[in-house]
Amino acid sequence: NAGVTQTPKFQVLKTGQSMTLQCAQDMNHEYMSWYRQDPGMGLRLIHYSVGAGITDQGEVPNGYNVSRSTTEDFPLRLLSAAPSQTSVYFCASSRSGPGVVNEQFFGPGTRLTVL
Amino acid sequence: GQQLNQSPQSMFIQEGEDVSMNCTSSSIFNTWLWYKQDPGEGPVLLIALYKAGELTSNGRLTAQFGITRKDSFLNISASIPSDVGIYFCAANSGNTPLVFGKGTRLSVIA
Repeated sequence: NAGVTQTPKFQVLKTGQSMTLQCAQDMNHEYMSWYRQDPGMGLRLIHYSVGAGITDQGEVPNGYNVSRSTTEDFPLRLLSAAPSQTSVYFCASSRSGPGVVNEQFFGPGTRLTVL
Repeated sequence: GQQLNQSPQSMFIQEGEDVSMNCTSSSIFNTWLWYKQDPGEGPVLLIALYKAGELTSNGRLTAQFGITRKDSFLNISASIPSDVGIYFCAANSGNTPLVFGKGTRLSVIA
């Protein structure tokens, strides 16, 4: 198993550009999520999904869109990048369902700089 | 929203020393987890706690789920250089999204 994979590893954008951060998992996990990590702020949840076709907002969703057309993939879209979106982005996945513990597996991260 | 207060923010210790860090909340949670993040990597799960009062070990690491369900601590015994990193507590109830603490940055001086 590859686990959780993220592409690209590094990205530099200009203000106003759009891009998609890719995330895929091969563990057949229902639950997937996106976090951003900023110095001194820990991990903040952007969006999450409890299964294909279902997404919901986290703590900091503004400026980001997500979709979940398959169990395996959960892309994060930046529609018009802003310098405030400079951060390290982590995708995570876990099992989900009644009585199942939410133990998340994280990808290696995408380091995004917006100029 | 729910918050986890993690302390200390950072620690500098000598190799061989024991380490203790904790996480508290004003909310009750049914699950507490501890993650470690190495530089340039994603967080990796160290220990998961499912029952109030539970004490669980993973090698030199020991974590406890507080009896009030509002706190947890992580101890590392006999620290070594590879213990360097950021340690995060996280918690949730049922299938709600995980809430993360802001992390404890551990530095080990050889």
